[in-house]
Amino acid sequence: DAGVIQSPRHEVTEMGQEVTLRCKPISGHDYLFWYRQTMMRGLELLIYFNNNVPIDDSGMPEDRFSAKMPNASFSTLKIQPSEPRDSAVYFCASGGRALPGANVLTFGAGSRLTVL
Amino acid sequence: GESVGLHLPTLSVQEGDNSIINCAYSNSASDYFIWYKQESGKGPQFIIDIRSNMDKRQGQRVTVLLNKTVKHLSLQIAATQPGDSAVYFCAERGVTGNQFYFGTGTSLTVIP
Repeated sequence: DAGVIQSPRHEVTEMGQEVTLRCKPISGHDYLFWYRQTMMRGLELLIYFNNNVPIDDSGMPEDRFSAKMPNASFSTLKIQPSEPRDSAVYFCASGGRALPGANVLTFGAGSRLTVL
Repeated sequence: GESVGLHLPTLSVQEGDNSIINCAYSNSASDYFIWYKQESGKGPQFIIDIRSNMDKRQGQRVTVLLNKTVKHLSLQIAATQPGDSAVYFCAERGVTGNQFYFGTGTSLTVIP
């Protein structure tokens, strides 16, 4: 398995632009998580899905952020409009229940977002 | 003005020595914990996990200890190697579901 795949790896955009980050979880994993990592706040959970359904979005900072999971193999995190304070590394992680220890999260390599 | 970031604890050890990284977790009802290693420019990688019904679990060169009385986890790395240099995070599973909450991390530097 190629692991959790995120794109783009790096994005630089201007304030006010829409940003879409993408994630392909590990096949067979039924949990998908979006995290944000900054020096100020460390790793923050934004939202997670189970079987493509959002379960807890209490970490989403504000209405400018939205996440979708249209199918088991794809999720997006969208920021519209983006602001400089959204600059961070955004991680997607997936996990499953089918195997012992399946609560382990497997992280992607992250998408580094810079908003100018 | 100057931004203030998280104060990341740091640990420097000589190659070959043992390392101990500590973590305090927040919720006494948390039932599952994971240690992750994050190298520069990469996502966190799983090291070892432990359930709350255990006090100790050993892996290859790593041991996790859980003290529920004081809500404390530690990660012990035996014979630390330069490749162990990274930031180490503990994570606890939320009690209402499968959220995982991460600590602030500890930066480990191994001196050759």
